[in-house]
Amino acid sequence: EDQVTQSPEALRLQEGESSSLNCSYTVSGLRGLFWYRQDPGKGPEFLFTLYSAGEEKEKERLKATLTKKESFLHITAPKPEDSATYLCAVRSNYGGATNKLIFGTGTLLAVQP
Amino acid sequence: DGGITQSPKYLFRKEGQNVTLSCEQNLNHDAMYWYRQDPGQGLRLIYYSQIVNDFQKGDIAEGYSVSREKKESFPLTVTSAQKNPTAFYLCASRQTDSNTEAFFGQGTRLTVV
Repeated sequence: EDQVTQSPEALRLQEGESSSLNCSYTVSGLRGLFWYRQDPGKGPEFLFTLYSAGEEKEKERLKATLTKKESFLHITAPKPEDSATYLCAVRSNYGGATNKLIFGTGTLLAVQP
Repeated sequence: DGGITQSPKYLFRKEGQNVTLSCEQNLNHDAMYWYRQDPGQGLRLIYYSQIVNDFQKGDIAEGYSVSREKKESFPLTVTSAQKNPTAFYLCASRQTDSNTEAFFGQGTRLTVV
């Protein structure tokens, strides 16, 4: 069964303290891994798509990487405005429904000034 | 502005009532999705539609119904058969002719009173 596991569940950082969030996945036929940011009471906002092992994407203080089993979201010198829940999702070819996204439970990041 | 509009933002339902959540998109996307989000759980797929007049059940379709009469619209009805409807509901859309990300609306918070 396709599955996505995110860790840690929650992470508290001091401003400027770099760290990484993990997304482990098992999926039959990966067709893309997606990172989203979600603020409280809002819909998820798209950050990155990764398609193959070794691929990396960057945006401001965020960098996403992908291996055959997991993805990392690296946060360099975070600021309080980076505080949010970060969601990881994979698209698989499960059951022939190629559009199905499977989400992890997210990592709640709090960056203190 | 192009995007996905969900309404209302907050909705209260009495026991035994059916309620309908609206989702409209002007992105010209073929596929639309409904997810449910509960605390401590990942987004779970309720229904999805890849083309007008066609839709498929997701993982938790019981107690819900949808229609897709227009490309732009994918309303979700929460029926009285849904025993635990209190949740945050998210609508998403994406283009299906490429392996692209899904875009989300801002969500509807449904509460049973």
